[in-house]
Amino acid sequence: DQQVKQNSPSLSVQEGRISILNCDYTNSMFDYFLWYKKYPAEGPTFLISISSIKDKNEDGRFTVFLNKSAKHLSLHIVPSQPGDSAVYFCAASPGSEKLVFGKGTKLTVNP
Amino acid sequence: DAMVIQNPRYQVTQFGKPVTLSCSQTLNHNVMYWYQQKSSQAPKLLFHYYDKDFNNEADTPDNFQSRRPNTSFCFLDIRSPGLGDAAMYLCATSRVLGVAGGRTDTQYFGPGTRLTVL
Repeated sequence: DQQVKQNSPSLSVQEGRISILNCDYTNSMFDYFLWYKKYPAEGPTFLISISSIKDKNEDGRFTVFLNKSAKHLSLHIVPSQPGDSAVYFCAASPGSEKLVFGKGTKLTVNP
Repeated sequence: DAMVIQNPRYQVTQFGKPVTLSCSQTLNHNVMYWYQQKSSQAPKLLFHYYDKDFNNEADTPDNFQSRRPNTSFCFLDIRSPGLGDAAMYLCATSRVLGVAGGRTDTQYFGPGTRLTVL
């Protein structure tokens, strides 16, 4: 049973436009959420996180939004750049040392 | 630079032949994790060490074992690899904040070892 779901396996956007990656979760105990980016032949790298006490966190071109009532979070990338092309994983923590990952969304930013 | 290192990057083994993957870290983090990731799947946690305490996931096969001889190193042993064990194996580390069992900080991943079983 998937507790963290990324329902879009892939997303394609034009350079300069907004990329929106979505993530849904089912476990109400999750209180900390992260996004990781993964390039081919590399391990995932941390991108941005958000605590459940917030509904938005911003870092440069990256913003994560959290809607707790809907158990939904999203990652916005504005403006999108070709170097952003990667697989993006959503992850959630139930307040312990573990993380639960989604299957990832492959983002392609076209020049 | 502080980092998580995995060796080898690519490992080919034969069906049933034991294999060991290694992970080292210079971050001095107290928690180390091993994940298995298959194509188009989420990274799946196999087990983790919280300091010297070993924590196995309930659905991790007995075929998978781990050792952490010191803070910096952690090994994944696959005793009898099957074709279904072909995957990317990711090592990660984190620093747990607060008292034991507290919240994890961000997990930092190594580049992974791609295991092929012939």
